[in-house]
Amino acid sequence: DTGVSQNPRHKITKRGQNVTFRCDPISEHNRLYWYRQTLGQGPEFLTYFQNEAQLEKSRLLSDRFSAERPKGSFSTLEIQRTEQGDSAMYLCASSLAATTSGYTFGSGTRLTVV
Amino acid sequence: AQSVTQLDSQVPVFEEAPVELRCNYSSSVSVYLFWYVQYPNQGLQLLLKYLSGSTLVKGINGFEAEFNKSQTSFHLRKPSVHISDTAEYFCAVSATGGGNKLTFGTGTQLKVEL
Repeated sequence: DTGVSQNPRHKITKRGQNVTFRCDPISEHNRLYWYRQTLGQGPEFLTYFQNEAQLEKSRLLSDRFSAERPKGSFSTLEIQRTEQGDSAMYLCASSLAATTSGYTFGSGTRLTVV
Repeated sequence: AQSVTQLDSQVPVFEEAPVELRCNYSSSVSVYLFWYVQYPNQGLQLLLKYLSGSTLVKGINGFEAEFNKSQTSFHLRKPSVHISDTAEYFCAVSATGGGNKLTFGTGTQLKVEL
């Protein structure tokens, strides 16, 4: 098992463009989480899936953001019409449902909007 | 809802000295408590967790933390730090029921100096 994998590691995009990030969780983990971390802050919850069902979305997740987890395996996070304020590290994590062992985080995708 | 306060944004310490990183939380429900470490441009790694039972929890890399319910605190300690402990440390909580959603503090930058 190679852990949680996120691609790309870095993304630079122009304001107004759309971007998509991918997360591959640990294979037996049925929960997948997305967090956003801005400079000098702790990670903030965006959304999570149990299998293919998106069970909770934060109010931070505006209409420009959409996340999917088809077939309950990998997940994608898309940001439409990017803004400079979207610049952040986007972290993915996975876990087993109802586990108390904590998450396994990926290394993140750093987005810079210019 | 839960919230986490990490009182110190930066903690400088000399190598081989002891260190304590402070964390206080607020919650109207029972919580699990976690400490994560983040190295530059990396994801988060779980150091230790408190779920129930003994209030003194031991984690990886020689770290330990003590849960104090009356003071709603979960301070992280290490008796002797090493240069390699230089990193950002995050305290986090999750409600014991449902979702495993983590709420993070703003982090403490531990800088170990020779």
